[in-house]
Amino acid sequence: NAGVTQTPKFRILKIGQSMTLQCAQDMNHNYMYWYRQDPGMGLKLIYYSVGAGITDKGEVPNGYNVSRSTTEDFPLRLELAAPSQTSVYFCASSYGQGLNSPLHFGNGTRLTVT
Amino acid sequence: RKEVEQDPGPFNVPEGATVAFNCTYSNSASQSFFWYRQDCRKEPKLLMSVYSSGNEDGRFTAQLNRASQYISLLIRDSKLSDSATYLCVVDTGGFKTIFGAGTRLFVKA
Repeated sequence: NAGVTQTPKFRILKIGQSMTLQCAQDMNHNYMYWYRQDPGMGLKLIYYSVGAGITDKGEVPNGYNVSRSTTEDFPLRLELAAPSQTSVYFCASSYGQGLNSPLHFGNGTRLTVT
Repeated sequence: RKEVEQDPGPFNVPEGATVAFNCTYSNSASQSFFWYRQDCRKEPKLLMSVYSSGNEDGRFTAQLNRASQYISLLIRDSKLSDSATYLCVVDTGGFKTIFGAGTRLFVKA
């Protein structure tokens, strides 16, 4: 049981390049999320999904896209990388919502856009 | 005013000390509350959920005060391994989960 697996761990992009951050979970969780964490700030929700085929925007979705073709996978796509997207990205999953459904996070992806 | 506010610290305490963190939230309709722990350059991990009546898990005690809109975390008998950043997390429902920026704790020998 690996939990939530994210790849890659680190990446450096040039402005305008694109990339996909991969996220997979093996806990059969319906809910999956992408967050970004900037220094000195709380995690911000980028996109979330409540099940295969269903995605929705979070607080900071601009510049990103997601898809959820299976319960297990939730990739995050950056189409035209910008320096403002330099951050640490965390994928997370949960069984549901509320006190008994905490978030389970992946190890994170450190992205630098130069 | 931030939706969730925490004292960023750092709190520097000796081993064996008792330390307390507070976190205030602005949305009175907030439904669920959590404390997560985040080690340097690692992912956040759930420390404990915070129940209305307060709850304890070993050396850790969490309290919720809805009237004053804050939650607290008390750590007794601090260990070196408790050194981390503690994140206050407030769920207002509808996938609106707000993370505080965290309080840094350093426990020294």
